Amino acid sequence: GAGVSQTPSNKVTEKGKYVELRCDPISGHTALYWYRQSLGQGPEFLIYFQGTGAADDSGLPNDRFFAVRPEGSVSTLKIQRTERGDSAVYLCASSTSSSYNEQFFGPGTRLTVL
Amino acid sequence: GQQVMQIPQYQHVQEGEDFTTYCNSSTTLSNIQWYKQRPGGHPVFLIQLVKSGEVKKQKRLTFQFGEAKKNSSLHITATQTTDVGTYFCAGPGPSVGYQKVTFGTGTKLQVIP
Repeated sequence: GAGVSQTPSNKVTEKGKYVELRCDPISGHTALYWYRQSLGQGPEFLIYFQGTGAADDSGLPNDRFFAVRPEGSVSTLKIQRTERGDSAVYLCASSTSSSYNEQFFGPGTRLTVL
Repeated sequence: GQQVMQIPQYQHVQEGEDFTTYCNSSTTLSNIQWYKQRPGGHPVFLIQLVKSGEVKKQKRLTFQFGEAKKNSSLHITATQTTDVGTYFCAGPGPSVGYQKVTFGTGTKLQVIP
């Protein structure tokens, strides 16, 4: 079956612009994670959804970052007033229920802020 | 906050040699997961350990969870070029309901043919 998909695969934007990154999890997976990965680093937790609600958003760096999952499936990560430091690969992962289960990662969106 | 460190950061081995990476958490973990990320790819789940002292094997890979559930190791016997990549451990914290998953710093393995 289909895995986790993310769009776009690459996004280049200018400092100060707004961007939206989309994640399509595996069908039926109730848990969804967003991570940010910088070059040479491990994935950094941003936010976790269980169904439609953000169960843990403690990893969001500041209030420029926001994520939604209105119908408990597709999720969108929104970044306002982008900064050069936001440049990274943004990974989405889904699992059947919680952190007690393996996570299936998408290919990621490479965000470059000029 | 919770920190998960891995050593070594990099490892170059001759094909056929063994390899071990160690993972240490600042807090007790309810479980630990291991992932492999190939160059240019995304993390792929390898295994999950739940019980204190648990040891699991997958062909040439042996995974161990420490007695105190704060450390773990991955050992690869007789490395092959297909083992190239970065290996991450990841843990969700001390209790089953703790959802934030912290990934380790990773160990990048290079296998010289």
